[in-house]
Amino acid sequence: KQEVTQIPAALSVPEGENLVLNCSFTDSAIYNLQWFRQDPGKGLTSLLLIQSSQREQTSGRLNASLDKSSGRSTLYIAASQPGDSATYLCAVRPDNAGNMLTFGGGTRLMVKP
Amino acid sequence: DAGVTQSPTHLIKTRGQHVTLRCSPISGHKSVSWYQQVLGQGPQFIFQYYEKEERGRGNFPDRFSARQFPNYSSELNVNALLLGDSALYLCASSLSPGLSGYTFGSGTRLTVV
Repeated sequence: KQEVTQIPAALSVPEGENLVLNCSFTDSAIYNLQWFRQDPGKGLTSLLLIQSSQREQTSGRLNASLDKSSGRSTLYIAASQPGDSATYLCAVRPDNAGNMLTFGGGTRLMVKP
Repeated sequence: DAGVTQSPTHLIKTRGQHVTLRCSPISGHKSVSWYQQVLGQGPQFIFQYYEKEERGRGNFPDRFSARQFPNYSSELNVNALLLGDSALYLCASSLSPGLSGYTFGSGTRLTVV
């Protein structure tokens, strides 16, 4: 059974810092990995999607990497801003016939002005 | 272009009652998935439908059921509500179950009292 873990569970940083969020998964047989952002009480906003054959994806100040063999992904946020404050979730999709996403518990990020 | 729309946004039900949640996918998307997110946790997979057929089911009791209509919209039904069913219910759509990432709606906040 796939298990996804995100560390740390919560993180508080001053504005302007570069930071890294971690995601690990137990079964390396994945089809892709997706990072989401969730604001309090809201739905999920997709940030980056990395296919299993890719090593990284970039969008603006965000960079996500994937090391499938070691079961790890990182989300790098450059020059953090207060507007980045949210919960960040990673989710993996298996490469077998299953279509469900397995989510980690999320990292709650607070960027202080 | 409208995203994934869910209705209602909030509702309060009494234990033992029945509830129906609705989801309209992005135009052109034929796959709809449902997730339950309890406060402070990552979303848990409930169902996936594609072309009106169930393609996956998570570890939820038979009180939970769903269906997909010819226009690809979907309903999630929960019978005999329990206090533990209180959660944010998220709907996600994709072009097909296997090819692309998932786009989530804003969710329906269900409170069971």
